[in-house]
Amino acid sequence: AQSVSQHNHHVILSEAASLELGCNYSYGGTVNLFWYVQYPGQHLQLLLKYFSGDPLVKGIKGFEAEFIKSKFSFNLRKPSVQWSDTAEYFCAVILGNEKLTFGTGTRLTIIP
Amino acid sequence: EAGVTQFPSHSVIEKGQTVTLRCDPISGHDNLYWYRRVMGKEIKFLLHFVKESKQDESGMPNNRFLAERTGGTYSTLKVQPAELEDSGVYFCASSQVGYGKNIQYFGAGTRLSVL
Repeated sequence: AQSVSQHNHHVILSEAASLELGCNYSYGGTVNLFWYVQYPGQHLQLLLKYFSGDPLVKGIKGFEAEFIKSKFSFNLRKPSVQWSDTAEYFCAVILGNEKLTFGTGTRLTIIP
Repeated sequence: EAGVTQFPSHSVIEKGQTVTLRCDPISGHDNLYWYRRVMGKEIKFLLHFVKESKQDESGMPNNRFLAERTGGTYSTLKVQPAELEDSGVYFCASSQVGYGKNIQYFGAGTRLSVL
């Protein structure tokens, strides 16, 4: 079955640390890839997306992600995190059809 | 531009009662999706409307769940009768039709607690 794996369930970092959140999917065909973020008390927001083209995509708030097709991965990165990045991050894919398949989410806590 | 709005934000009901959740998509978005997150687990797809037609309802848990989208505008999701395992956060999302346009915008969710 098609699935999305986020290996880090809870990540705790200090401000200014670098961040990388892992995301892997299982599907051999064409995929559209997304990272969503949910800040405390807010709705899910799109952080960035990949449909085609340059596999390194840049999103809002200094985040970026790299699609590595050979590894079925779409890891999220940020060189220097801020306290305001505290949130839950969701990797999601659209696999041919139109519904999103989500990972379990990664809770990120930034310590000032 | 107004985003996706969901009502109520939180609902607490007893087992066996009925609850109706509402979602107003972004104006002009023909695609409307319902998702659910049970505590501690991933967000799971429930169903997808294109305008007023159900395109995919493969994620609906059972026949206690009924979704409608009359007139292709807002949608309701009714749970009747509610069971304890229905507790969770119900998200609605909408998007435009067309390749490259299927960026789904989410509402804040309805937190359903069944006691």
